[in-house]
Amino acid sequence: GAGVSQSPSNKVTEKGKDVELRCDPISGHTALYWYRQRLGQGLEFLIYFQGNSAPDKSGLPSDRFSAERTGESVSTLTIQRTQQEDSAVYLCASSLAPVAGTQYFGPGTRLTVL
Amino acid sequence: AQSVTQLGSHVSVSEGALVLLRCNYSSSVPPYLFWYVQYPNQGLQLLLKYTTGATLVKGINGFEAEFKKSETSFHLTKPSAHMSDAAEYFCAVRVPNTGNQFYFGTGTSLTVIP
Repeated sequence: GAGVSQSPSNKVTEKGKDVELRCDPISGHTALYWYRQRLGQGLEFLIYFQGNSAPDKSGLPSDRFSAERTGESVSTLTIQRTQQEDSAVYLCASSLAPVAGTQYFGPGTRLTVL
Repeated sequence: AQSVTQLGSHVSVSEGALVLLRCNYSSSVPPYLFWYVQYPNQGLQLLLKYTTGATLVKGINGFEAEFKKSETSFHLTKPSAHMSDAAEYFCAVRVPNTGNQFYFGTGTSLTVIP
């Protein structure tokens, strides 16, 4: 595809359930970011992947959050035992170069935890 | 940690009037600076960015921004607002050699009045 895609676009889940969010970056982009955007707030950095290097997990808010990326392709963000405060839009972005590289954002996944 | 402040969560201008969206950052070293726009029901897209060189940066759709180191600012302007400019605008900062994080402001919602 031409851009970053994310699935699902919307996810409604019950408190305590696990959810998995998917991001397909632009082909050839080595850098991939996950962000969380709560209602009325800015983007909050979660995790960063660059090629085969160890990911930068410094933004993950708790050990319920984890993410994986296979090589330079698809990434999944997993939230275990979801809480109501996890409700947000989760955005994925990819870029060619990690330093000052333009990030291309996906449309996001809107997660609602009931 | 770095911070990005966008003064005014909501800005309204008349069609044809000057658009000025403010962004200030905290960083002891010159950062890389970005403005992103999010149109309704769309993903974020890059408007413009400053990395090095000329401090006045021109972006898409007639927008420009000027990096002022002495004021730690990167305000976004457009001489004449169009109805199609109505969107959410985010300022973002990345500080070189301090990790992989981009820091985003909380956003400014621009309304254009006919």
